Amino acid sequence: EPEVTQTPSHQVTQMGQEVILRCVPISNHLYFYWYRQILGQKVEFLVSFYNNEISEKSEIFDDQFSVERPDGSNFTLKIRSTKLEDSAMYFCASSTVGSWTDTQYFGPGTRLTVL
Amino acid sequence: GDSVTQMEGPVTLSEEAFLTINCTYTATGYPSLFWYVQYPGEGLQLLLKATKADDKGSNKGFEATYRKETTSFHLEKGSVQVSDSAVYFCALSGAGSYQLTFGKGTKLSVIP
Repeated sequence: EPEVTQTPSHQVTQMGQEVILRCVPISNHLYFYWYRQILGQKVEFLVSFYNNEISEKSEIFDDQFSVERPDGSNFTLKIRSTKLEDSAMYFCASSTVGSWTDTQYFGPGTRLTVL
Repeated sequence: GDSVTQMEGPVTLSEEAFLTINCTYTATGYPSLFWYVQYPGEGLQLLLKATKADDKGSNKGFEATYRKETTSFHLEKGSVQVSDSAVYFCALSGAGSYQLTFGKGTKLSVIP
């Protein structure tokens, strides 16, 4: 069964450094998403992406964040200058269409630790 | 804005016990409702969903019914197994929106 994959599984970085989290969505899916979960808190939506454009973003997704689909398979989340409060589990997801009835399929997550 | 409230955990049950995890929501219009499950060390997996009022989602012995009158989507299973030990998340997707709004998650532990 096709699945969403994410690399790395764990990333440790120093405050102020740039990080890129990578995701490979399911191959025939058209919509891509990033969510994050700070330890002990809810899973929060960051951004959705379709046709090489951001479709929707949350208040969390400020100028420090960017997303890109650099080729036909990868989908990345970049944090330009990491802060301590960016430490979280980051989940990538994909879906076939961007309907509110559609299922989003999630990857296993990347745990980001900012020191 | 949209929100989801689910019962706090952790929940510990003996094998073959009945499970209920409560979930209520606040949303405008007619959202879609989901239950996701996260097994240890893995990502979020869709367990079941319902996209309109009175729909019942079911999978692997789990069931949940979309109740618009009580704005609820409670998860039930008649007889839990040790392999059901996981964190369960209730979520909604509002009409016209791409994002999922999640509850805090309920950790279930099933003991033999």
